[in-house]
Amino acid sequence: DAGVTQSPTHLIKTRGQHVTLRCSPISGHKSVSWYQQVLGQGPQFIFQYYEKEERGRGNFPDRFSARQFPNYSSELNVNALLLGDSALYLCASSFGRTGTEAFFGQGTRLTVV
Amino acid sequence: AQKITQTQPGMFVQEKEAVTLDCTYDTSDPSYGLFWYKQPSSGEMIFLIYQGSYDQQNATEGRYSLNFQKARKSANLVISASQLGDSAMYFCAMREPLQGAQKLVFGQGTRLTINP
Repeated sequence: DAGVTQSPTHLIKTRGQHVTLRCSPISGHKSVSWYQQVLGQGPQFIFQYYEKEERGRGNFPDRFSARQFPNYSSELNVNALLLGDSALYLCASSFGRTGTEAFFGQGTRLTVV
Repeated sequence: AQKITQTQPGMFVQEKEAVTLDCTYDTSDPSYGLFWYKQPSSGEMIFLIYQGSYDQQNATEGRYSLNFQKARKSANLVISASQLGDSAMYFCAMREPLQGAQKLVFGQGTRLTINP
């Protein structure tokens, strides 16, 4: 069975640019959450989408947005990139809105220069 | 707001020994879930074990067990018979209810190094 897949795995962008990160959840999972992990810290919650609707949002500026598609895959968009946006972006999938398991992908490592 | 504390930035253990990674949490919600994840240098967060606040018994998954002490608000991960492949960052996390959503709040992590 395929796990959570994220693309791309690595990305280098320039300040002020826009970036789109993609996530495909485990088959049958309807919930996708996004996390940002800055070097040396634990992941921080950005968004959760369930059944194509935003269900939760963390303390991130409006430059961060996301959406979920009918096949439950998801995109995370970040506008006007800052150096501080450099991080590992992780996607987690789970079956329901809440549950006893949340499976993560391998992450997208974004570097802003 | 919920909080997770991992007080051990790094631990060094000899291969085949058991190791305990500490995690304390703070919440006023009677219903919560606690997770442990392993993060190798590749970056992927690997789910290890889950404990619900109403679960009567401590969770176990193979070599992993969770020493859940509700009154002390601790959820320590125990790895038995450690292996070289266990070397990684380990994160404790708590599920925080957010309008019915699942938001995980993570601790700072513990870097575990297994020595041969």
